[in-house]
Amino acid sequence: TQLLEQSPQFLSIQEGENLTVYCNSSSVFSSLQWYRQEPGEGPVLLVTVVTGGEVKKLKRLTFQFGDARKDSSLHITAAQPGDTGLYLCAGSSGYSTLTFGKGTMLLVSP
Amino acid sequence: EAQVTQNPRYLITVTGKKLTVTCSQNMNHEYMSWYRQDPGLGLRQIYYSMNVEVTDKGDVPEGYKVSRKEKRNFPLILESPSPNQTSLYFCASGRKGDSPLHFGNGTRLTVT
Repeated sequence: TQLLEQSPQFLSIQEGENLTVYCNSSSVFSSLQWYRQEPGEGPVLLVTVVTGGEVKKLKRLTFQFGDARKDSSLHITAAQPGDTGLYLCAGSSGYSTLTFGKGTMLLVSP
Repeated sequence: EAQVTQNPRYLITVTGKKLTVTCSQNMNHEYMSWYRQDPGLGLRQIYYSMNVEVTDKGDVPEGYKVSRKEKRNFPLILESPSPNQTSLYFCASGRKGDSPLHFGNGTRLTVT
């Protein structure tokens, strides 16, 4: 069974701070997806990373896929209250369906 | 607008009363899936479907049924709901099983 461990589980910060959340596995994934879920809504895809070592930027969010394609990180610069939500990573390994991590709950206070 | 539509958004029912949660997608996706989300347990897959008339069990299929008679619809059926099925349910669709997924807005089910 493939597992994706996300850390930290919870993160509470002030507006303007920087933060990094992690998604780790002992398994290799062919690609990794990051989703954000806001309260009362379903998860929404933020980005997909495919190549080992790949870095993708989405405004103040920077996503990195590990060289060995076993881990990924999400860095947010100057967090804003609108960044509040549950961040989920999901790995694709060529099996039939995605493997989801349990998520990191981020709260950004004004 | 590309979307996955679930109904109802909220449902309160009693133990043993059969219910169906509907899910429809307008993106011509072959893959559809149902998840339940519980605090501390994350998203757990209930059932999925790779295409019409093809369904498979996920990680937590007990107490649930699904059908995929047409590409756009994938209803979730609880024949005899129990309190341990109280949860937040999400339907999702994608081009294939490991593609990026589009999620519905969820159905919050309470079984008393």
